[in-house]
Amino acid sequence: DAKTTQPPSMDCAEGRAANLPCNHSTISGNEYVYWYRQIHSQGPQYIIHGLKNNETNEMASLIITEDRKSSTLILPHATLRDTAVYYCIVMWGNTPLVFGKGTRLSVIA
Amino acid sequence: DTGVSQNPRHKITKRGQNVTFRCDPISEHNRLYWYRQTLGQGPEFLTYFQNEAQLEKSRLLSDRFSAERPKGSFSTLEIQRTEQGDSAMYLCASTAGSAAINTQYFGPGTRLTVL
Repeated sequence: DAKTTQPPSMDCAEGRAANLPCNHSTISGNEYVYWYRQIHSQGPQYIIHGLKNNETNEMASLIITEDRKSSTLILPHATLRDTAVYYCIVMWGNTPLVFGKGTRLSVIA
Repeated sequence: DTGVSQNPRHKITKRGQNVTFRCDPISEHNRLYWYRQTLGQGPEFLTYFQNEAQLEKSRLLSDRFSAERPKGSFSTLEIQRTEQGDSAMYLCASTAGSAAINTQYFGPGTRLTVL
């Protein structure tokens, strides 16, 4: 079973920031938080990952709480092409990814 | 495009037929994973290779399923005597990560429809 909990769906206005929350209260000390997204009928796309510190790349920012029990993925200026299912996953090493049901983000014009 | 390719992209078959899918990972990646995704669900792990060795199989991988990765390059997933319940998207991912970091890059998937 997935070790994360995410809201099933969210809406965001185009051009605004999308903030996607994830709870992972049982995360272990060496486990990373990974985010993937899946646009309809495509393979999952890697977005970002982090361990303790906040991370930023060209796609998004990842904010991890100090106790590491939750995190937020931020898409700073959402576009219609960001409409997708977003998966938050905790994992370490070579273990297979365990996907939950994710959050379906709808970006609205 | 992640650099992971899968063929065919779509396969329609009749119940009872055998099907084979191919995955070509990113060339320097030594680890390769297969997942299955049914409608409305997240991907579920099937099996995993490190180089040519198959290291782990999930209980979802019934006796009708077999996977190979000869020479540690491309991989094939074969389903024998297909059933309607095998209809799903079959996804392949590869990684060259260290023990602590394991970013998997996915291919576009093969969508199987069993009639």
